[in-house]
Amino acid sequence: GQQLNQSPQSMFIQEGEDVSMNCTSSSIFNTWLWYKQEPGEGPVLLIALYKAGELTSNGRLTAQFGITRKDSFLSISASIPSDVGIYFCATVDTGNQFYFGTGTSLTVIP
Amino acid sequence: NAGVTQTPKFRVLKTGQSMTLLCAQDMNHEYMYWYRQDPGMGLRLIHYSVGEGTTAKGEVPDGYNVSRLKKQNFLLGLESAAPSQTSVYFCASSYRGGGNQPQHFGDGTRLSIL
Repeated sequence: GQQLNQSPQSMFIQEGEDVSMNCTSSSIFNTWLWYKQEPGEGPVLLIALYKAGELTSNGRLTAQFGITRKDSFLSISASIPSDVGIYFCATVDTGNQFYFGTGTSLTVIP
Repeated sequence: NAGVTQTPKFRVLKTGQSMTLLCAQDMNHEYMYWYRQDPGMGLRLIHYSVGEGTTAKGEVPDGYNVSRLKKQNFLLGLESAAPSQTSVYFCASSYRGGGNQPQHFGDGTRLSIL
């Protein structure tokens, strides 16, 4: 199956800081998705990207679809304690099969 | 409106035992999915269904079976549990397939095989 590599694997930041994470694959995809998972819950979709170069924001979150279509980036501005969780990138192939990245664990220190 | 409900939330099995995990959705979604989540590996698709009465294999289907007898339910079965199947299992559903159809996830079932 497809492998999506996320980096960094984990991050510890102070409240108020900005943070960025990325996701790369060896294949080209037409869709990139970013999910957040909080402890004891399932992932929740944050942002969806459908076009190379696309930049989309959702509040303090901004995601970008890489020009090569093999990567995507997520940034969070002015982090707050409730941003804590694991952030997953995901994509889907032409057979409608979804693939998820390995996740970036974010800890925000008040 | 409950969304996606998984039962049970926790279960401990002995090697060789069988069990069925139930996923129910009340959103009239066509597509349903079963994933497993292991540390450092993200979510991996086990099986999925594109409609009532249909199922298909995902990335890691071995050792699991599924059934979709009713549109709202998707069952995941382990016929003979193995320690390698210790994981957190997530069910998801979407209105249709494709990346422009967001998946709605349940809260997971934590399964331990001794």
